[in-house]
Amino acid sequence: DTAVSQTPKYLVTQMGNDKSIKCEQNLGHDTMYWYKQDSKKFLKIMFSYNNKELIINETVPNRFSPKSPDKAHLNLHINSLELGDSAVYFCASSQDIRNNQPQHFGDGTRLSIL
Amino acid sequence: GQQVMQIPQYQHVQEGEDFTTYCNSSTTLSNIQWYKQRPGGHPVFLIQLVKSGEVKKQKRLTFQFGEAKKNSSLHITATQTTDVGTYFCAGWSGNQFYFGTGTSLTVIP
Repeated sequence: DTAVSQTPKYLVTQMGNDKSIKCEQNLGHDTMYWYKQDSKKFLKIMFSYNNKELIINETVPNRFSPKSPDKAHLNLHINSLELGDSAVYFCASSQDIRNNQPQHFGDGTRLSIL
Repeated sequence: GQQVMQIPQYQHVQEGEDFTTYCNSSTTLSNIQWYKQRPGGHPVFLIQLVKSGEVKKQKRLTFQFGEAKKNSSLHITATQTTDVGTYFCAGWSGNQFYFGTGTSLTVIP
């Protein structure tokens, strides 16, 4: 069973569209994250939720809105997609919010904006 | 702002040669984690160091955390083709979590 699963794996869409990426973890973890990895492989944290509560909200355009319906799910909705949004988006989870917990990553969603 | 830089950005080595990546933070980190990302894959947790000056080994990999808790290194002895990938350090500074800029390792057979 996949521990952290994201859907879709690939997303190709037009500029201006709205899209969502879903993430689910079956590890029983309390904390989940969204990362953006650009073409130079730089990994930047976007959001973190602990038990459905937003705890990290980095400087990200407000076109990006995370939603956590329960602690096993953290979805990412993106409005009015722009060319610069093309990247790989990774979901991750850790046992809890204590900062000594390793993070488990999903396989990533490769978003391409035409 | 906070930055966690790694050098080198890229490294090509012959199989059997050693490899080292260095991680430097602009502020003190409470811990340092290392991740490996294979080409086309996702980051996978390797190890965590917490104490100042700590050294840990995993087979051919040696990890160090600096005395000031602002730098770290990963050394691979006698690289193999399976070591190919990008190595990231990462750590918490206060309530913020930062990934390093990564070092991409290519191993030439």
